[in-house]
Amino acid sequence: GQQVMQIPQYQHVQEGEDFTTYCNSSTTLSNIQWYKQRPGGHPVFLIQLVKSGEVKKQKRLTFQFGEAKKNSSLHITATQTTDVGTYFCAAFSGGGADGLTFGKGTHLIIQP
Amino acid sequence: GAGVSQTPSNKVTEKGKYVELRCDPISGHTALYWYRQSLGQGPEFLIYFQGTGAADDSGLPNDRFFAVRPEGSVSTLKIQRTERGDSAVYLCASSLNGRDNGGEQYFGPGTRLTVT
Repeated sequence: GQQVMQIPQYQHVQEGEDFTTYCNSSTTLSNIQWYKQRPGGHPVFLIQLVKSGEVKKQKRLTFQFGEAKKNSSLHITATQTTDVGTYFCAAFSGGGADGLTFGKGTHLIIQP
Repeated sequence: GAGVSQTPSNKVTEKGKYVELRCDPISGHTALYWYRQSLGQGPEFLIYFQGTGAADDSGLPNDRFFAVRPEGSVSTLKIQRTERGDSAVYLCASSLNGRDNGGEQYFGPGTRLTVT
């Protein structure tokens, strides 16, 4: 089945530093979604990217979808303590099914 | 408005027992999903309902797992003859109309299942 790989697994940053997580697939994706999960919480939808080369911004967060629609990235500028959590990319499973395949996530740890 | 709710929040059961986990989706959402999440992992897809029917149950690990959504709203995930490996957080999510409407999924708080 389809897999999405995320790197890095963990990222320690000082508050105020930037953070980037990458998501890669061996197959072309129809679209990709990003979710954030706070410690002890549940995944919360951040954004969906559909078009090749698409770039979307939400305040300090920038999301990109690769030209080949096989990779995506999430970049956070000037991290804050509220950014702590695990960031997951997710893609719809193949064959038109609606179940999402999630990456293992990148755990963002911020040191004040 | 209310989000997705799940009950119970925690369930401890003995190996071999039967459990039911309940999900109440956002009102009006026709699509409902079950996932399970083990520690340090991303959610793993189990089953997807569009209305009352299971449109995709390819993620159910074996025939001990079964889910229903008889009236197109509340769903119940049923696990028979539980095993210790079933211990995980079971997450329910709903979306307005599946992937055709943006695909944004709203997750509930989850049920933490512990099989002893």
